[in-house]
Amino acid sequence: GAGVSQTPSNKVTEKGKYVELRCDPISGHTALYWYRQSLGQGPEFLIYFQGTGAADDSGLPNDRFFAVRPEGSVSTLKIQRTERGDSAVYLCASSLIASGGVNEQFFGPGTRLTVL
Amino acid sequence: AQRVTQPEKLLSVFKGAPVELKCNYSYSGSPELFWYVQYSRQRLQLLLRHISRESIKGFTADLNKGETSFHLKKPFAQEEDSAMYYCALRDLEYGNKLVFGAGTILRVKS
Repeated sequence: GAGVSQTPSNKVTEKGKYVELRCDPISGHTALYWYRQSLGQGPEFLIYFQGTGAADDSGLPNDRFFAVRPEGSVSTLKIQRTERGDSAVYLCASSLIASGGVNEQFFGPGTRLTVL
Repeated sequence: AQRVTQPEKLLSVFKGAPVELKCNYSYSGSPELFWYVQYSRQRLQLLLRHISRESIKGFTADLNKGETSFHLKKPFAQEEDSAMYYCALRDLEYGNKLVFGAGTILRVKS
C-alpha cells in the first residue's frame, strides 16, 4: 500500500508569513509524529499524536508552532510568523501504535521549508 | 537527558572492506536502539533494531550497555551500502519518540 505522504515537497516563504505542512499517514496507523531536520543534523522530535490528541508536544520549539490531527488521520503542522531559522526539512512518520509491540515508524519524504 | 552521538560525519571505505559505524548513547533507563538508513533520494527507513538481534543486508549491531554503544558493523562493504546512517534511541518514558544522532555518511569506493 501507499506509504506516508507529505505535501508540499518544497515550500518557499518569506519571513513573517504563515505556512501549513500536511502529512497523510499510512492507513490504519494510530500514531503520527513530526520531526524537524536541520542541515547536517539528525531528525529532531517535535510532536506526536495518538489518535486525535497530541500525546507529547514537548519538542515544539515555541508557540509559533502548532499541529492538529482532527480526525485521527491527516495531520497539519502550522507555523506562524516564520523565521529564517525555521528553514529545515520537516518529516512526518506514522506507526501502527505508539508503545510496545510493533511500533516501527515509517517516514514520509519530508517537506523542505525555506524561509527567505 | 537522552542523547545519541555518532562521532564520524563521514566514513569512506573500499568495497570489500569491513565497516563499523559508531554510535554511543546516554539514557537513564533501559534503551531501545535502532539504526535508520537513508539512500540517495529516498526516504528514511529502518535498517535494524537491537531487540530483533537480526542481520539485515549483512549489517549487525550489538547493544553494549557497559560501553553504552550500539555500533553498526558489516564484514564486507558493498557499493550499494553507500548512504546516510542514523542511530536512534527510543525514549520509552515519553511514548515512542525517537532521539537521533547527527548521522554518518558511508561512502563505499570501488
